[in-house]
Amino acid sequence: DTAVSQTPKYLVTQMGNDKSIKCEQNLGHDTMYWYKQDSKKFLKIMFSYNNKELIINETVPNRFSPKSPDKAHLNLHINSLELGDSAVYFCASSQVEEGPQHFGDGTRLSIL
Amino acid sequence: EDQVTQSPEALRLQEGESSSLNCSYTVSGLRGLFWYRQDPGKGPEFLFTLYSAGEEKEKERLKATLTKKESFLHITAPKPEDSATYLCAVHPPSNTGKLIFGQGTTLQVKP
Repeated sequence: DTAVSQTPKYLVTQMGNDKSIKCEQNLGHDTMYWYKQDSKKFLKIMFSYNNKELIINETVPNRFSPKSPDKAHLNLHINSLELGDSAVYFCASSQVEEGPQHFGDGTRLSIL
Repeated sequence: EDQVTQSPEALRLQEGESSSLNCSYTVSGLRGLFWYRQDPGKGPEFLFTLYSAGEEKEKERLKATLTKKESFLHITAPKPEDSATYLCAVHPPSNTGKLIFGQGTTLQVKP
């Protein structure tokens, strides 16, 4: 009965490839997020969606494109992967935009 | 610019040795301060939310407090299972849903 689940857990790929990360939450929350955690463990928000509508789009290269098919799912597609994209990507959700956010266990992306 | 700074970066304690972690922030019109615990290979786990100066929350050996400029996470008589990275985040007024995280304090409790 995982609350926020991400797949895959690990993703190793070559520079220049296109990849996707999937996220699903079964908490009934309206808002979902993508965060990037760099090698220094610093968490930074990338996107947020509220009921399938994009709310936050931080300064992220347009190679990153989020997609929310319904309010329980928020996927992240990355085109033309670069070495600097190597990081752990976390999905999160919250009941309301000001409430506590609940995180998945992350996807560790490694670019060769 | 809204900013969150945590100190110390790393803390090593003996089992039973109480201490405090600090989170200072430069956000006007704070709409919430959050504490999370992160274990290696896992996502942040929500601990507490504080909304106004003077507010306190407790859970087992942890107690979080909030002033107008900082928050403390007090750990009383810690056990080795309290070892983790503790993250502080603030919800500023300008961006709905956006959390600004500090860099975390990595706590190691030795038996």
